[in-house]
Amino acid sequence: GENVEQHPSTLSVQEGDSAVIKCTYSDSASNYFPWYKQELGKRPQLIIDIRSNVGEKKDQRIAVTLNKTAKHFSLHITETQPEDSAVYFCAARDYNQGGKLIFGQGTELSVKP
Amino acid sequence: EPEVTQTPSHQVTQMGQEVILRCVPISNHLYFYWYRQILGQKVEFLVSFYNNEISEKSEIFDDQFSVERPDGSNFTLKIRSTKLEDSAMYFCASGTGGNTGELFFGEGSRLTVL
Repeated sequence: GENVEQHPSTLSVQEGDSAVIKCTYSDSASNYFPWYKQELGKRPQLIIDIRSNVGEKKDQRIAVTLNKTAKHFSLHITETQPEDSAVYFCAARDYNQGGKLIFGQGTELSVKP
Repeated sequence: EPEVTQTPSHQVTQMGQEVILRCVPISNHLYFYWYRQILGQKVEFLVSFYNNEISEKSEIFDDQFSVERPDGSNFTLKIRSTKLEDSAMYFCASGTGGNTGELFFGEGSRLTVL
């Protein structure tokens, strides 16, 4: 089955700097790669996603890149703000089969003012 | 905007008791899921449900767990005899399948087993 590895587990940056979180996946059938932001005690909230027919996607300060050959994808946050502080999870699934979403271990991002 | 709703938000129970967690998925969704998250850990898949039957389940989802969609709107997770290690946040999610991909998560039900 699918296995998703995520690193780093914690990341501390200064406000205004960029943050990069990386994930690898194992199942070549996976074709959908979302990123979730989870604030303490809250549900995971989708912030951006990418499908396997696309190499990069950007939404304002957030971008995701996907390398299908290497089976890795990354989240890039530019101009970080204190409100970006949260736990970020990557995930992978084969959506054509209604397949389960498999999460990475999470990255606790701390943006220091 | 439609959303997945879950009840209760928090339940405290004694070890060995049965617990039912309830979810109302988004109405036109066809795929339903339960996930759990032990405090400070990642979100773990428990079970997926499609066309009124379990389509996939994880190793965590043993004989103590069951799911049901009793009335076409609710989707329930039952834990027959709770253990201390069942203490976690349980998230319900639903999706349309197909090429949209996105799963919509509920706010979660926090289960505390004493």
